Amino acid sequence: NAGVMQNPRHLVRRRGQEARLRCSPMKGHSHVYWYRQLPEEGLKFMVYLQKENIIDESGMPKERFSAEFPKEGPSILRIQQVVRGDSAAYFCASSPPGEDTQYFGPGTRLTVL
Amino acid sequence: GNSVTQMEGPVTLSEEAFLTINCTYTATGYPSLFWYVQYPGEGLQLLLKATKADDKGSNKGFEATYRKETTSFHLEKGSVQVSDSAVYFCALAGDSGGSNYKLTFGKGTLLTVNP
Repeated sequence: NAGVMQNPRHLVRRRGQEARLRCSPMKGHSHVYWYRQLPEEGLKFMVYLQKENIIDESGMPKERFSAEFPKEGPSILRIQQVVRGDSAAYFCASSPPGEDTQYFGPGTRLTVL
Repeated sequence: GNSVTQMEGPVTLSEEAFLTINCTYTATGYPSLFWYVQYPGEGLQLLLKATKADDKGSNKGFEATYRKETTSFHLEKGSVQVSDSAVYFCALAGDSGGSNYKLTFGKGTLLTVNP
């Protein structure tokens, strides 16, 4: 069973561009979570999705950030008009229904120039 | 709201030394507790977990016991190896609103083990 896949692993964007981060959960996992890790900080919850539904986006910045988990394909975290403060590692995790253990992907390290 | 406090690093030990990384938490209810490990350049890997008071999680020689009376979940290993060098994160599942899926993390403790 392959683990959680994220791509790209590294992403460089200039200020004002869009960043699109992808996450494929483990097989059989219908729940996806996104976390952001700022330098020398712990991970902070951003959003929780199930197939075609956003369950909780209370950790997402109100503007420029959006997430989706379509019926087919990976979950996408989209950041529009990136700013330098968006530079961070973005981790995706997945879990099967009814289990509180989350399994993490390797992360995408976003650098905004 | 819920929070996790873990000892600040960095922690530097010699091989075969005893390791303790302290972790205390503040939470409503009875959250599940976790230790995750992050090796350089990689994502987080679940190291161990405990779901109720007095449970002991263990894996790869690491142990942690869920202590409700002291709201603690300290990580221990009797004899560390160079390959244990990594950042260790303590976490709990849940927030003050009862959302059990939200993981709240400590800031992480960097462990370096020298040969």
